[in-house]
Amino acid sequence: DQQVKQNSPSLSVQEGRISILNCDYTNSMFDYFLWYKKYPAEGPTFLISISSIKDKNEDGRFTVFLNKSAKHLSLHIVPSQPGDSAVYFCAASARIKGGGADGLTFGKGTHLIIQP
Amino acid sequence: GAVVSQHPSRVICKSGTSVKIECRSLDFQATTMFWYRQFPKQSLMLMATSNEGSKATYEQGVEKDKFLINHASLTLSTLTVTSAHPEDSSFYICSASSQGSNQPQHFGDGTRLSIL
Repeated sequence: DQQVKQNSPSLSVQEGRISILNCDYTNSMFDYFLWYKKYPAEGPTFLISISSIKDKNEDGRFTVFLNKSAKHLSLHIVPSQPGDSAVYFCAASARIKGGGADGLTFGKGTHLIIQP
Repeated sequence: GAVVSQHPSRVICKSGTSVKIECRSLDFQATTMFWYRQFPKQSLMLMATSNEGSKATYEQGVEKDKFLINHASLTLSTLTVTSAHPEDSSFYICSASSQGSNQPQHFGDGTRLSIL
């Protein structure tokens, strides 16, 4: 049973416009969410994260929104650039209280294509 | 940014061979390292979590005697696939995290394992 779902395998956006990547989760214990970007033949690169105590986190062109009641998060990239073309993975964890790192549960990824 | 090196990037070997994969954190101390596996068109699946100096914790369905994990130092973890068979062919990728639950995981570039 897929606990983190990215229902769009691919997304095509024109350069300069906004890219919105969506992610849904089912496990209510998840309290930390991350987005990773992956180029071919490379490992995932951390992009941005958000804790469940927040509903928005912004870092430059990247903003992640979290809607806990809907168990939904989204990544907004604006403006989109050709170098943003990659596979984007949504990931979640239920962090151990008091510290320590937890394994991540990943979605299947969305291939973002930025068209010039 | 944090760098995680994984070696080798690709292995092709005969059935029955044992294969060792190394994961190193190059510029930070990784108190926790994770091993994931990805089958074609599937998401990354957590196999095990290892903390430096202690035994790894394996996810349900992952055979600990099949996938030996050693995390002897704060910068090195190894995964040994023992007596590998064709069904073990997969993409294996490690990640590392420094102290604290707010730290994102940083990934290596993965190892493509093909068992003939």
